[in-house]
Amino acid sequence: AQSVTQLDSQVPVFEEAPVELRCNYSSSVSVYLFWYVQYPNQGLQLLLKYLSGSTLVKGINGFEAEFNKSQTSFHLRKPSVHISDTAEYFCAVRGKGNEKLTFGTGTRLTIIP
Amino acid sequence: DTAVSQTPKYLVTQMGNDKSIKCEQNLGHDTMYWYKQDSKKFLKIMFSYNNKELIINETVPNRFSPKSPDKAHLNLHINSLELGDSAVYFCASSQSGATDTQYFGPGTRLTVL
Repeated sequence: AQSVTQLDSQVPVFEEAPVELRCNYSSSVSVYLFWYVQYPNQGLQLLLKYLSGSTLVKGINGFEAEFNKSQTSFHLRKPSVHISDTAEYFCAVRGKGNEKLTFGTGTRLTIIP
Repeated sequence: DTAVSQTPKYLVTQMGNDKSIKCEQNLGHDTMYWYKQDSKKFLKIMFSYNNKELIINETVPNRFSPKSPDKAHLNLHINSLELGDSAVYFCASSQSGATDTQYFGPGTRLTVL
């Protein structure tokens, strides 16, 4: 079994400020980790994913995430946000050998001008 | 060209009716999925097909029946619609293997009156 916890349901951030969206997971097997973004009234788009290797993963739109196995975390960060980053962000986990992708409950990122 | 497309984008119907949502992908993937996103943005997998074979079937009322005529299509039929079925339904596709990214369609917003 696997699960994902996104601790913050909403995160307001001033434009050009840094942001961190938190994600913790649990799984009985090794995992692959993903961050997806959902812009208003759209489908989900992959931001980045961790499969293996370097624990710091860089994605699109200036986002990055760091896999921390000891803390079972995969937090998403951006050093300077823009108005266009306003969206819902979902962390997801997939166990190795498992086809099922389990999503967290999402974090709504609101950028304040 | 749209990678994963769904029709219709919006669907408004009365309780008790039967409706279908269609999904097509032109990515050459062998696995397709249906997800349900409720009003709180929680995203949960419903079904998954690999090469037209059902591989994931979560706890979903049997009023919901997926049908995959070929690898590129996965349709969702819903019988005797209920108020609680109102949600956004997303189709996704990927190449089999846990490392592969799932690509999402734009969603179908179903409203049951």
